[in-house]
Amino acid sequence: AQSVTQPDIHITVSEGASLELRCNYSYGATPYLFWYVQSPGQGLQLLLKYFSGDTLVQGIKGFEAEFKRSQSSFNLRKPSVHWSDAAEYFCAVGPRSNDYKLSFGAGTTVTVRA
Amino acid sequence: DTGVSQNPRHKITKRGQNVTFRCDPISEHNRLYWYRQTLGQGPEFLTYFQNEAQLEKSRLLSDRFSAERPKGSFSTLEIQRTEQGDSAMYLCASSLNRGQGFRETQYFGPGTRLLVL
Repeated sequence: AQSVTQPDIHITVSEGASLELRCNYSYGATPYLFWYVQSPGQGLQLLLKYFSGDTLVQGIKGFEAEFKRSQSSFNLRKPSVHWSDAAEYFCAVGPRSNDYKLSFGAGTTVTVRA
Repeated sequence: DTGVSQNPRHKITKRGQNVTFRCDPISEHNRLYWYRQTLGQGPEFLTYFQNEAQLEKSRLLSDRFSAERPKGSFSTLEIQRTEQGDSAMYLCASSLNRGQGFRETQYFGPGTRLLVL
């Protein structure tokens, strides 16, 4: 079964500093990978996705992610964090075969300090 | 281009009552998904529709839960005889699958937060 692990439950970062959120996946084939962001009480907004091709993917709000097959990882990065980036971030994998659902990690909460 | 909308945004109910949530997908999207998210967790899949056909249901979807998507447009999720354990955020997502295998992107609505007292 496919699964996603986000090792960091909570990360605190200073405004203007760089941010990296880790995501590891377990999957039997080439995965389709996604990062979503959720502000408090809100739904999920797609940041970026990887289907194939260039392993460095650019997304919205200045985020990027790198797919590393050898490490089964899809880490999310941002060079300079803004206070508005404080939110919860979810990595997801899927779909495959006849299984169209997304499987999500437990999320990483990002706090931005002034 | 309007996004996925969900109503109501919040629902408070007493244990044992029935509740119904509505999801309006992005127009022309042929797939619609329901997920449930509890505090501190990622969303968990409940069920999905291709047009009006319900093609998969999670084991999380007990017989108290029913979902419909009449005419392949909006969808409703009903919970009968609610229990306190049903308290969660219920998220709807839609996608357009053009037959390109599994390369589809799910777009989420704002969710309906349910509190069962």
